[in-house]
Amino acid sequence: DGGITQSPKYLFRKEGQNVTLSCEQNLNHDAMYWYRQDPGQGLRLIYYSQIVNDFQKGDIAEGYSVSREKKESFPLTVTSAQKNPTAFYLCASSPKGGTSPLHFGNGTRLTVT
Amino acid sequence: SQQGEEDPQALSIQEGENATMNCSYKTSINNLQWYRQNSGRGLVHLILIRSNEREKHSGRLRVTLDTSKKSSSLLITASRAADTASYFCATGLLTQGGSEKLVFGKGTKLTVNP
Repeated sequence: DGGITQSPKYLFRKEGQNVTLSCEQNLNHDAMYWYRQDPGQGLRLIYYSQIVNDFQKGDIAEGYSVSREKKESFPLTVTSAQKNPTAFYLCASSPKGGTSPLHFGNGTRLTVT
Repeated sequence: SQQGEEDPQALSIQEGENATMNCSYKTSINNLQWYRQNSGRGLVHLILIRSNEREKHSGRLRVTLDTSKKSSSLLITASRAADTASYFCATGLLTQGGSEKLVFGKGTKLTVNP
């Protein structure tokens, strides 16, 4: 079955450490996205990529970094510069980007103490 | 300010009843989408309605769009306990820079009691 895999499901880190969240898709989609979700809030866009080796900042990119070296993979690094990193992180993909419907992974819950 | 806002924030109904959730937005849109999220999981796309459409159906789901009022509604008929989830609207719009963007609201939390 095609889909998006995020790992790990739960991640715990100490303040000051960088951490990388994995996102892999086998849907052959061009576009991939990272969102952050806080309790009772909607999704906020961190970064997105429409094509391999290219990505753009979303609305809340500060303190985060990404890479897109392969079509299937779009890892997100939460750096120590992110002031409030504890959140639920969702990766998504779509066939051609724009405003086409998104397919989501099941998220990674990151807790930083 | 929020582009898409759902109303109500929370809704509790009995199994078999209909559930209606509303979404209001501020700027012109290409399309409007509804998603469902079960607790602790990713979102699942339910239905997309284009700006030139007024109503769309998918199984027990009915979506309407009123572009003059900048609002949409999602109706779930004959609800089941398994419909318990949060429902989000997402508006597809063109940015000033000419790119397309999908903006999510904060969601309506639906509880269907057996």
